Amino acid sequence: DAGVTQSPTHLIKTRGQHVTLRCSPISGHKSVSWYQQVLGQGPQFIFQYYEKEERGRGNFPDRFSARQFPNYSSELNVNALLLGDSALYLCASSFMDSNQPQHFGDGTRLSIL
Amino acid sequence: GQQVMQIPQYQHVQEGEDFTTYCNSSTTLSNIQWYKQRPGGHPVFLIQLVKSGEVKKQKRLTFQFGEAKKNSSLHITATQTTDVGTYFCFNAGNNRKLIWGLGTSLAVNP
Repeated sequence: DAGVTQSPTHLIKTRGQHVTLRCSPISGHKSVSWYQQVLGQGPQFIFQYYEKEERGRGNFPDRFSARQFPNYSSELNVNALLLGDSALYLCASSFMDSNQPQHFGDGTRLSIL
Repeated sequence: GQQVMQIPQYQHVQEGEDFTTYCNSSTTLSNIQWYKQRPGGHPVFLIQLVKSGEVKKQKRLTFQFGEAKKNSSLHITATQTTDVGTYFCFNAGNNRKLIWGLGTSLAVNP
């Protein structure tokens, strides 16, 4: 079975642009969570979705938004990119919610110039 | 708000030595999960602890959940170079804010 897949793997953008990151969960998993990870730090929670509904939101500005589709895949959108948005963006899926093991994709490395 | 503190931040050991990382919370945790992230990789689930005082073992790894469910530890016996990476504890909180420790980075000298 395929694991969590994320696309693209790498992305270079300039300040002010917007970006869309995509995630396909493990088959049968209904929950997707998004994290931002800066080098040397732990993952910072951005959003969690379960059954297409937002279940939780971290302390990120409104420039960050997400959604989950009927097939449980998800998109993370970031508008008006700032230099500080440069990071590894990780998607994790779990069967129901994050009280169950999370399975991570390889992430999208976003660089802002 | 709920916080999870993890210590130490870094640990450098000789191969064969033991290693322990600790995770402490200001509030009672419903459960705790442990993950390992290799350099350049993504976090990989290791274990979940739910019950007060629970102890689980995976080969050389021993995981404990405190009696008050406010702390947890991961102990590795006789470290190997394959143990290199960052170990994170995680709690789903009230499922609205997902909380990760800052991680303990383990380096092993062969």
